[in-house]
Amino acid sequence: AQSVTQLGSHVSVSEGALVLLRCNYSSSVPPYLFWYVQYPNQGLQLLLKYTSAATLVKGINGFEAEFKKSETSFHLTKPSAHMSDAAEYFCAVSDPGGYQKVTFGTGTKLQVIP
Amino acid sequence: GAVVSQHPSRVICKSGTSVKIECRSLDFQATTMFWYRQFPKQSLMLMATSNEGSKATYEQGVEKDKFLINHASLTLSTLTVTSAHPEDSSFYICSARDPLAGGQGEQYFGPGTRLTVT
Repeated sequence: AQSVTQLGSHVSVSEGALVLLRCNYSSSVPPYLFWYVQYPNQGLQLLLKYTSAATLVKGINGFEAEFKKSETSFHLTKPSAHMSDAAEYFCAVSDPGGYQKVTFGTGTKLQVIP
Repeated sequence: GAVVSQHPSRVICKSGTSVKIECRSLDFQATTMFWYRQFPKQSLMLMATSNEGSKATYEQGVEKDKFLINHASLTLSTLTVTSAHPEDSSFYICSARDPLAGGQGEQYFGPGTRLTVT
């Protein structure tokens, strides 16, 4: 079984400050990992994904995440927060085999303070 | 990029009636689609995996007679909530996997359907 744990259901940062959203995973096989963003009443948009290539993954909107096997982590970062980054962020894990079912974390709501 | 649409975006129905939600992949053929539900301020919970031309695979605890899934073509899957009750009110989101994406597990999500049962 695979799972992800997102530490902190709410994170507040000042505009221009570093954004750090934490995600730890559990998987019996090398996982695929994803970060998605969801704006109110909308579907999910893929920010970035790790699929066993480079451990530092760059995504859209200036976000990046680093896969650390030793820490079983895949934290999402952005050097400078923008007001438009305020949204819900979901970390997700997938087993590369089978139906590639995706399991989502509980989400972290990012608030950006002007 | 790959686009998935859902229709309707919002629906209000009376208790006891049935509601059909459509999920379409617009620019790719999806052999597999997924249906999720999301309660307010909660994460997405997978309800079922929809496979073109075969029966859907339901997650534990999901009533397959209540949530009917039909994957009639490579671009369309439907979710029908039968005999809806207020507790079925939720945000339903579908996703589709592009089989030509190299098996990297990425799913493309629809914009969601807000169902309210009165």
